[in-house]
Amino acid sequence: GEDVEQSLFLSVREGDSSVINCTYTDSSSTYLYWYKQEPGAGLQLLTYIFSNMDMKQDQRLTVLLNKKDKHLSLRIADTQTGDSAIYFCAERSYSSASKIIFGSGTRLSIRP
Amino acid sequence: EAQVTQNPRYLITVTGKKLTVTCSQNMNHEYMSWYRQDPGLGLRQIYYSMNVEVTDKGDVPEGYKVSRKEKRNFPLILESPSPNQTSLYFCASSSLGEEETQYFGPGTRLLVL
Repeated sequence: GEDVEQSLFLSVREGDSSVINCTYTDSSSTYLYWYKQEPGAGLQLLTYIFSNMDMKQDQRLTVLLNKKDKHLSLRIADTQTGDSAIYFCAERSYSSASKIIFGSGTRLSIRP
Repeated sequence: EAQVTQNPRYLITVTGKKLTVTCSQNMNHEYMSWYRQDPGLGLRQIYYSMNVEVTDKGDVPEGYKVSRKEKRNFPLILESPSPNQTSLYFCASSSLGEEETQYFGPGTRLLVL
């Protein structure tokens, strides 16, 4: 079945780049998403990428997609304290266009 | 302002007492869905709806019901809540397609005793 996996924790120094990784199993994925969840809040859609793209950049965010390895990453440049949050990777597949499968989330902490 | 609202935000109830969590969106989105979030499990989809009167099961539908009588509202119904339904619930609405937007509600924290 479909599965999305992420590492649970990441700690980076303020000002460095953060790279959050995700792997997925469904080769028919059409959309791949990154969400941010701050403490006590709902999810915020940060960005998404179509499966026919390799890269998408949006200000400090860069998404890289390696379809061969089914690997997705989110790079946050110049990480700030406000970037502390849980980041979720998710996929939506062609075979089940209405269903979005989430990873378990990566908690990003920023150290001074 | 684009918004998804949920009510109540917090609820403590007892086993077997029927409850409804409301969800409303003001963006005229066709697609709405309910998720539960549990530690270490990410978000799991409970039910979703592609349009009025069109609903379907997600990954964990057991013990839940939904209805979609109007486009803006998508209530989640627990007919007979049990302690394993203690969780954080999120409603979301989306415009699916090339220019996709998604909005999540603020969450409803439910404790079933």
